[in-house]
Amino acid sequence: EAQVTQNPRYLITVTGKKLTVTCSQNMNHEYMSWYRQDPGLGLRQIYYSMNVEVTDKGDVPEGYKVSRKEKRNFPLILESPSPNQTSLYFCASSYSYGYTFGSGTRLTVV
Amino acid sequence: GEDVEQSLFLSVREGDSSVINCTYTDSSSTYLYWYKQEPGAGLQLLTYIFSNMDMKQDQRLTVLLNKKDKHLSLRIADTQTGDSAIYFCAETLPGGYNKLIFGAGTRLAVHP
Repeated sequence: EAQVTQNPRYLITVTGKKLTVTCSQNMNHEYMSWYRQDPGLGLRQIYYSMNVEVTDKGDVPEGYKVSRKEKRNFPLILESPSPNQTSLYFCASSYSYGYTFGSGTRLTVV
Repeated sequence: GEDVEQSLFLSVREGDSSVINCTYTDSSSTYLYWYKQEPGAGLQLLTYIFSNMDMKQDQRLTVLLNKKDKHLSLRIADTQTGDSAIYFCAETLPGGYNKLIFGAGTRLAVHP
């Protein structure tokens, strides 16, 4: 089954403790991206990747890092999480105009 | 600039039609999408329309695109309680970056 898998689904962490949210796709898509969803703001793009070793900032990249060492994986790294990064995060992959989203990761930073 | 706007709430009676509206600012949009998000769930693609089309129908869903007014609408016929969700309008722009630009989402509440 074609899918985007994110882990974990839920995460509660403390300020400053580094964390990684994993994202993996099995569709051989070149393009992957991360979004965060906040009430009243919709989804905003954090980072995207056009292919292996090619990443670039989206609209809200501050406080986040990504890497793309393999085509299938695109982890989101929070080196020093802060409470304003409490949000619902989605990973997506696409080919042309077709997008597939993961199930989301609800992150709470206390 | 890039901007997609939607009203935040819509309440309809079960069995009536729902119309969710969206406006966008960039006339170079290539594709426009409607996504559905049920409580606690991810994003489900409902339908999409290419920018050179005016209308697309898929069972109970009808998408209308007015390029002149930069207005997109989603009509759900015979709305059911299972249609209660947040509906997001989104667009992509030319340039090869595959970036989806989302509206804030419209929460549809269906009541008996």
